[in-house]
Amino acid sequence: DTAVSQTPKYLVTQMGNDKSIKCEQNLGHDTMYWYKQDSKKFLKIMFSYNNKELIINETVPNRFSPKSPDKAHLNLHINSLELGDSAVYFCASSRTREDQYFGPGTRLLVL
Amino acid sequence: GENVEQHPSTLSVQEGDSAVIKCTYSDSASNYFPWYKQELGKRPQLIIDIRSNVGEKKDQRIAVTLNKTAKHFSLHITETQPEDSAVYFCAAVSGGYQKVTFGTGTKLQVIP
Repeated sequence: DTAVSQTPKYLVTQMGNDKSIKCEQNLGHDTMYWYKQDSKKFLKIMFSYNNKELIINETVPNRFSPKSPDKAHLNLHINSLELGDSAVYFCASSRTREDQYFGPGTRLLVL
Repeated sequence: GENVEQHPSTLSVQEGDSAVIKCTYSDSASNYFPWYKQELGKRPQLIIDIRSNVGEKKDQRIAVTLNKTAKHFSLHITETQPEDSAVYFCAAVSGGYQKVTFGTGTKLQVIP
């Protein structure tokens, strides 16, 4: 009965590859997010969706494309992976104006 | 856009002492201020939050204060324990759809 789940947990891949990370929440929340946490632990918002609609799109390379097939799912596709994309990617969800529930994170390592 | 500054970046305290972490924000439209604790290798988890119509909130050993005029808010942990060791993030939230801006994090170490 995990609230916010992400797959995969670990992702090791070569530069130039394309990869996807999936996120699902069973909390009935309306809003979902993707965050990037770098090696210095900085947490930076990348995207936010409300009821499948993109509402926050921070300055992120267009190699990153989110997709929300329904309000319980928010996936992240990354094209042409670069070394600097190595980080932990967290998915989160929230009811509007309440705290966020984070997924367990996906540790991406680009070689 | 919103800018959240957090200090200190690292903090070491003896077990039983108090720890204080301070944050300032820039956007006066921010109206919700959560604090998250992230243990090593784990996800951030909410520990306490405060809304802009409240000046102080307490939950057992943890308290948060908010000064809207000065645009700063603080986390206070009393009687620290080794299990309080973690990275703590403040955040400022504005807008109906929660544009969340995190502080840069404070690594707290509680020495037994």
